[in-house]
Amino acid sequence: GDSVTQMEGPVTLSEEAFLTINCTYTATGYPSLFWYVQYPGEGLQLLLKATKADDKGSNKGFEATYRKETTSFHLEKGSVQVSDSAVYFCALNRRTDKLIFGTGTRLQVFP
Amino acid sequence: NAGVTQTPKFQVLKTGQSMTLQCAQDMNHNSMYWYRQDPGMGLRLIYYSASEGTTDKGEVPNGYNVSRLNKREFSLRLESAAPSQTSVYFCASSESTGKNTIYFGEGSWLTVV
Repeated sequence: GDSVTQMEGPVTLSEEAFLTINCTYTATGYPSLFWYVQYPGEGLQLLLKATKADDKGSNKGFEATYRKETTSFHLEKGSVQVSDSAVYFCALNRRTDKLIFGTGTRLQVFP
Repeated sequence: NAGVTQTPKFQVLKTGQSMTLQCAQDMNHNSMYWYRQDPGMGLRLIYYSASEGTTDKGEVPNGYNVSRLNKREFSLRLESAAPSQTSVYFCASSESTGKNTIYFGEGSWLTVV
């Protein structure tokens, strides 16, 4: 079945460091791919998405490119801030609206 | 902008008690969902409702029931709570067509002792 695999955390960075959180997926066909972010004590918010191969989703300085050939959707940001500390979830869906989530990666950014 | 609203935010139950989590959305979405979030396991789908009047099981439906009361509201019921149901529960909604963005509520923290 469909699945999403994320790198285990926590990822610990200093402010202004470069961020990469890896995400790979297994799915038949052409799923849509998403990154959601969960700040402490809050629900999940959509960060960015890509609906077809080679699409790049971007928001708030974060980017991710849909790579069909490597079945990946890695999240990147050039310069992280303390306020980016959160849990990041990679997710996919196919023909239905049911999202399949990865296990989440906690990011901790220190000043 | 209310979006998806769920209540209660926090609840402590004794084993065997019952309770209902309420969820409402004001975005005129057709599809609604209940997820649970557990450490190291991400979010898992409990039940979903593709449209008003329909409900279907997700990945982990055992021990839960749902009701799609109308287009706006989708409730989750625990008939006889167990400690294994201690979790954070999220309600979510989306438009009915495929590949649409899903919007989440703020979560309900449930502890069963």
